[in-house]
Amino acid sequence: ENVLTQSPGTLSLSPGERATLSCRASQSVTRNYLAWFQQKPGQAPRLLIYGASNRATGIADRFSGSGSGTDFTLTITRLEPEDFAMYYCQDYGSSRTFGQGTKVEIK
Amino acid sequence: EVQLLESGGGLVQPGGSLRLSCAASGFTFNDYAMSWVRQAPGMGLEWVAAITGSGGDTYHADSVKGRFTISRDNSDNRLYLQMYSLRVEDTAIYYCVKGSSSSRPYYLHYWGQGTQVTVSS
Repeated sequence: ENVLTQSPGTLSLSPGERATLSCRASQSVTRNYLAWFQQKPGQAPRLLIYGASNRATGIADRFSGSGSGTDFTLTITRLEPEDFAMYYCQDYGSSRTFGQGTKVEIK
Repeated sequence: EVQLLESGGGLVQPGGSLRLSCAASGFTFNDYAMSWVRQAPGMGLEWVAAITGSGGDTYHADSVKGRFTISRDNSDNRLYLQMYSLRVEDTAIYYCVKGSSSSRPYYLHYWGQGTQVTVSS
């Protein structure tokens, strides 16, 4: 099983600031099959990024993914009020495991 | 527009059974793999089970193997999760999720709104 560790657990930022979320895998993610999801309270998760760096349809360009192998990053360049939420990464290439999540909260 | 509508959740006693259903529309159902993902109260996401577009291959997480079975009816555009020997720790919201292709590798593309399963005496 590929264990995904997300950091930090909580990120306290103000609207307009840049958010950098990390996802580190215990084993290399096959062909960078790494996805990021956003989840707001009471809602289902929503796909943001797949293949480590490809934005899903309809996702704003302030969201970007990068990384390869075992280290991946989700960056939100300028936080909008609607971006404060939980974020999860997932290895969909092998073990299908999720990270434990990073909460982006308003400072 | 992709729509996934889960049903069948509810309150069940430990050791009991439940069958979840997911009605899919807005896409060619048998062209896509489908999955169930759950989320316990206040916790993160856990992949539960997956099935290829044809239904020929299924996969289950170790935590549910031997107790849960994923299946699909491509003639009716429905996904199922049969759950037996339910445990308190199975309490969660269960999401039906459409994959990005018919078989692996695929990412979890569209999510239903979920159905609540509560296992309690």
